[in-house]
Amino acid sequence: QSALTQPPSASGSPGQSVTISCTGTSSDVGGYNYVSWYQQHPGKAPKLMIYEVSKRPSGVPDRFSGSKSGNTASLTVSGLQAEDEADYYCNSYAGSNNFDVFGTGTKVTVL
Amino acid sequence: QVQLQQSGPGLVKPSQTLSLTCAISGDSVSSNSATWNWIRQSPSRGLEWLGRTYYRSKWYYDYAVSVKGRITINPDTSKNQFSLQLNSVTPEDTAVYYCARPGSYGYWAFDIWGQGTMVTVSS
Repeated sequence: QSALTQPPSASGSPGQSVTISCTGTSSDVGGYNYVSWYQQHPGKAPKLMIYEVSKRPSGVPDRFSGSKSGNTASLTVSGLQAEDEADYYCNSYAGSNNFDVFGTGTKVTVL
Repeated sequence: QVQLQQSGPGLVKPSQTLSLTCAISGDSVSSNSATWNWIRQSPSRGLEWLGRTYYRSKWYYDYAVSVKGRITINPDTSKNQFSLQLNSVTPEDTAVYYCARPGSYGYWAFDIWGQGTMVTVSS
């Protein structure tokens, strides 16, 4: 099972928006609405930010939003804040043979 | 709230077995609604789901194709924990290993994580 493809980096100034893409196949991202997104700060465990493509867990600011079109999912962070600087990973269910696959990760820098 | 506490050695020799344990508080490893997962992260392989165990009237085990044949995940109901064993390790298995449990957001949204254990495979 190949990892989902994400851009290595993305950046924006405080208050701006940044969108991260996550490209898979019809066997994972395109086939199921079980795409999630994780934020990871250095030395910390990943934190769930989005689940089932576009839903936010309790406590996650509404600046974070998710969407999907075909085999590509996206995470948008609006109104960038300094604390949003982190690595972001997408994740998708990949069926009953491969189960689960993560993205390659995107480092978001707040300029 | 549910918490996961990992333990195990940080250094393993090549060809030997990596063994880690994840102790559960606030839930039961025998829960009929939870799954208990291992995930690892390395610079070369990124985040990689390794496998899970769960109880639905009997125990089930699912493993990633990449480690199938080398991996065993076992529940321990007497200690309310679950373990990871990875056999025949190589330097490629060097990674931070996490245990994780999907919580309130579906079986594939991991909102509860252990603290992570850095495991180095080296002689």
